[in-house]
Amino acid sequence: EDKVVQSPLSLVVHEGDTVTLNCSYEVTNFRSLLWYKQEKKAPTFLFMLTSSGIEKKSGRLSSILDKKELFSILNITATQTGDSAVYLCAISGGTSYGKLTFGQGTILTVHP
Amino acid sequence: KAGVTQTPRYLIKTRGQQVTLSCSPISGHRSVSWYQQTPGQGLQFLFEYFSETQRNKGNFPGRFSGRQFSNSRSEMNVSTLELGDSALYLCASSPARAGEAKHEQYFGPGTRLTVT
Repeated sequence: EDKVVQSPLSLVVHEGDTVTLNCSYEVTNFRSLLWYKQEKKAPTFLFMLTSSGIEKKSGRLSSILDKKELFSILNITATQTGDSAVYLCAISGGTSYGKLTFGQGTILTVHP
Repeated sequence: KAGVTQTPRYLIKTRGQQVTLSCSPISGHRSVSWYQQTPGQGLQFLFEYFSETQRNKGNFPGRFSGRQFSNSRSEMNVSTLELGDSALYLCASSPARAGEAKHEQYFGPGTRLTVT
């Protein structure tokens, strides 16, 4: 069965800090790994990674995938209070059409 | 493009009743997936529909069912509600084409179901 484990489960930082969120996974026939941000509403899509070693970037957020070691990291630089949210990692594998397996999430709190 | 929409946004039902939730995907998206989110279990996959066919189903009892219409709109139904069915039900649409299993999913705002 597919499995996703995120760490840390929660993180408290101050504005301007850089954070690294971790996601390790087990999946049969990997297809993609996705990151989402969830505030008090539905998850918002951030990145989808399918190839090892290629960094995806969007502003202050970036992510990289290591398919050999079965993990991904999400980096957020110069954090802002608006970055406070739950960050979810999910994987898609095999012929599991439409199914994403999610981790438990990392709760990030950014203090002013 | 308009995002994924779900109705109703909030619902209160009593045990034993049934409920139907609706989801309209992003225009052009034919894949619709449903998830249940609870504090204890996180986000769990219910089922996925593509072109009116259920292609995948999660580990939920048969009380949970769904369908998809020719315009890609989808509904899910929960019969004989139990207290444990209280959750946020999220619908997500994807631009995945037939045979593809890796496209990103875009979530709707969810329906908050409370069972009393």
